[in-house]
Amino acid sequence: RKEVEQDPGPFNVPEGATVAFNCTYSNSASQSFFWYRQDCRKEPKLLMSVYSSGNEDGRFTAQLNRASQYISLLIRDSKLSDSATYLCVVNMGGGSQGNLIFGKGTKLSVKP
Amino acid sequence: GAGVSQSPSNKVTEKGKDVELRCDPISGHTALYWYRQSLGQGLEFLIYFQGNSAPDKSGLPSDRFSAERTGGSVSTLTIQRTQQEDSAVYLCASSLAVLDRANYGYTFGSGTRLTVV
Repeated sequence: RKEVEQDPGPFNVPEGATVAFNCTYSNSASQSFFWYRQDCRKEPKLLMSVYSSGNEDGRFTAQLNRASQYISLLIRDSKLSDSATYLCVVNMGGGSQGNLIFGKGTKLSVKP
Repeated sequence: GAGVSQSPSNKVTEKGKDVELRCDPISGHTALYWYRQSLGQGLEFLIYFQGNSAPDKSGLPSDRFSAERTGGSVSTLTIQRTQQEDSAVYLCASSLAVLDRANYGYTFGSGTRLTVV
């Protein structure tokens, strides 16, 4: 099983749609989870951390399922500006140990 | 500085030449990380520094790759005898301390796009 696995997409959705991405991770000891956003030919930027109880930031909702070792990101009311690649990121050690491992990303394209 | 600064932003080099890539982390950040991203691929961890020490060099792909950090600030990634498969975007990131990566993630620089011809 790959350390961090994502559906590469692309997800092509109309403006206003709701879209969800999933990510699975292999190390049950992982404690820290993030979603990053990467625009074409740009560096990744932190979108949001993922907390055990789930968390929301505006139109974005992140969920963690430890039992199944997956993380999700839900985007409501998609905007053209949401078009990007979304990277699932997991620290592969317990607690604060281990490096952040990046998934290969899921590409989202929001069309008018 | 206000952000992580990398130079050069683009580098084209001939196969077999050596290259040096520079990273200047956010002021006060003691932890510094190097990743690379090949076309269409995910980010591949190379090495990280806590202060001037590199506890984890496990990601360096070969002995042609080395990195150093002096004064707890600027880091240089050196690739000797470059090969075409070294072509990638080399990304540097920093965090306040190593422990902070687990809580707050990283801040990346804009990268150096290396092309080996």
